[in-house]
Amino acid sequence: EAQVTQNPRYLITVTGKKLTVTCSQNMNHEYMSWYRQDPGLGLRQIYYSMNVEVTDKGDVPEGYKVSRKEKRNFPLILESPSPNQTSLYFCASRGTGDYGYTFGSGTRLTVV
Amino acid sequence: KQEVTQIPAALSVPEGENLVLNCSFTDSAIYNLQWFRQDPGKGLTSLLLIQSSQREQTSGRLNASLDKSSGRSTLYIAASQPGDSATYLCAVSRLYGGATNKLIFGTGTLLAVQP
Repeated sequence: EAQVTQNPRYLITVTGKKLTVTCSQNMNHEYMSWYRQDPGLGLRQIYYSMNVEVTDKGDVPEGYKVSRKEKRNFPLILESPSPNQTSLYFCASRGTGDYGYTFGSGTRLTVV
Repeated sequence: KQEVTQIPAALSVPEGENLVLNCSFTDSAIYNLQWFRQDPGKGLTSLLLIQSSQREQTSGRLNASLDKSSGRSTLYIAASQPGDSATYLCAVSRLYGGATNKLIFGTGTLLAVQP
């Protein structure tokens, strides 16, 4: 089944403790992206990657890092999480010539 | 700057009713428009994708239209069912530069279909 898989689904952590949210897609898609969803603000793009080793900032990149060493994986790294990063996070992918996006099931992160 | 607005923010209808959800965007230079469904605490499920050159797309009881010149899209749901209850999101992708793949989302319409 074609899908985008995120892990973990739920995570509670403490301020300052580094964490990584993984994202993997099995559709050989070139483009991958991370979004966060907050009440009243909707979904906003954090980072995106056009292909392996090509990444760029979205609208709200502060406090996040990403890497794209393999085509299928696009992890989101929070080096020093803060409470304002408490949110619902989504990973998405899209292939060249395939105009539709596929989203993962989301990761609900709480930073206390 | 592209802004996407969805009206109404919430809608409650009795089962069986036909309904229309609205989406408007400020910049007509879009690549495509996509409608998603989101169930509480869940991910986004793609419903329909309309390319900028298209006027509408249909899937089952769903029909989405696109009018680029007026900056509007509608999602028509026929014969609504309680299982249609969810938040519906529209998103446009930008036409130019390295950000052709960026989705800009509206804040959604929360739909409740009453049995």
